[in-house]
Amino acid sequence: EDQVTQSPEALRLQEGESSSLNCSYTVSGLRGLFWYRQDPGKGPEFLFTLYSAGEEKEKERLKATLTKKESFLHITAPKPEDSATYLCAVRWGGSQGNLIFGKGTKLSVKP
Amino acid sequence: NAGVMQNPRHLVRRRGQEARLRCSPMKGHSHVYWYRQLPEEGLKFMVYLQKENIIDESGMPKERFSAEFPKEGPSILRIQQVVRGDSAAYFCASSQQGSGNTIYFGEGSWLTVV
Repeated sequence: EDQVTQSPEALRLQEGESSSLNCSYTVSGLRGLFWYRQDPGKGPEFLFTLYSAGEEKEKERLKATLTKKESFLHITAPKPEDSATYLCAVRWGGSQGNLIFGKGTKLSVKP
Repeated sequence: NAGVMQNPRHLVRRRGQEARLRCSPMKGHSHVYWYRQLPEEGLKFMVYLQKENIIDESGMPKERFSAEFPKEGPSILRIQQVVRGDSAAYFCASSQQGSGNTIYFGEGSWLTVV
């Protein structure tokens, strides 16, 4: 059973069309939820870490929020350069420190 | 401002050969992680190391795969007798000491087995 599930798998937006990506998790003892951006042929680029329900972080057009069961990555007025795969990962009480990743949401923003 | 450095970026090996992937963590980081990404799949944890110590190898295949992080030099992921199914992107990541710290990734090493 997947412990980290991201939806949708793919999302196509027009430039300026705001939307949200979802990451739900079933692990117990959450010790951090991480968002990364990955471009084709590149490594994941760190965006945010959230530690407790109710926490929010913002960076440019991106805003990440966290509840007890899921996290949202809100994208406001996206631009074509925001096109990438967005990865969610959790660190939990049963891990030694490593992360469990979801399969990602592939975002395409058309001009 | 060197990040996590991996080499080689691309590696081609024939079936049965050995592949060695190297990773130098970010400055000040003492923890190294290796992940594997298969086509159309997510990142899968393989192994977590500190200097001269394997902390968690629960994601490592039982045979042919090994990892080390010596006192001096980079961390090395070694794959012996490669098979076509080993073709994947291998990412190294590092963090500071302490389990609450952010993990930063390198650009990856793409292994192709022919």
